[in-house]
Amino acid sequence: ETGVTQSPTHLIKTRGQQVTLRCSSQSGHNTVSWYQQALGQGPQFIFQYYREEENGRGNFPPRFSGLQFPNYSSELNVNALELDDSALYLCASSQVNSPLHFGNGTRLTVT
Amino acid sequence: AQSVTQPDIHITVSEGASLELRCNYSYGATPYLFWYVQSPGQGLQLLLKYFSGDTLVQGIKGFEAEFKRSQSSFNLRKPSVHWSDAAEYFCAVGARDSSYKLIFGSGTRLLVRP
Repeated sequence: ETGVTQSPTHLIKTRGQQVTLRCSSQSGHNTVSWYQQALGQGPQFIFQYYREEENGRGNFPPRFSGLQFPNYSSELNVNALELDDSALYLCASSQVNSPLHFGNGTRLTVT
Repeated sequence: AQSVTQPDIHITVSEGASLELRCNYSYGATPYLFWYVQSPGQGLQLLLKYFSGDTLVQGIKGFEAEFKRSQSSFNLRKPSVHWSDAAEYFCAVGARDSSYKLIFGSGTRLLVRP
């Protein structure tokens, strides 16, 4: 059984740029959620996708957007990067109302 | 407001000693409750979950947790800690109709003395 995989593992961007992070869901899972984990903090919910549509959103601005593809993989896009966007971005997949299974994350540094 | 509090930022225990990590939550109704563990540079691994039923739940790696409704707590325990248990532990709560939207505590870092 293949778990949740994320790419890239590390990324460095400049303030104002745009970034795309990718996630492949665990086999058999049909939802994907994204979380932001700042240094020294717990993860914060960004949004969830189910059936290729955004199904719930946390307190993040519209410059954070996402996609879910028919094969349940997903992308997180962040526009107009700010220094505070530096964090570990975690993708998690699950079946509906089942526990989340997390990937190892993408470490984004904005300079 | 919904929140999760893990009052201990760091805990150090000796290998073989028992462990209890505290978690208190503020939520409008009985939520789903979770404990996750995160090793350095890794994602989160689910240790155990409480959905309903028996308030003492067993998880992986010898961990257990007890849900106490009256105290709004969900403390994690292990009778004998191994050096490989050194990691960051996160308590989380989720709504019963949207368990993907978890609210995490700020974590407790566990250090294990040889």
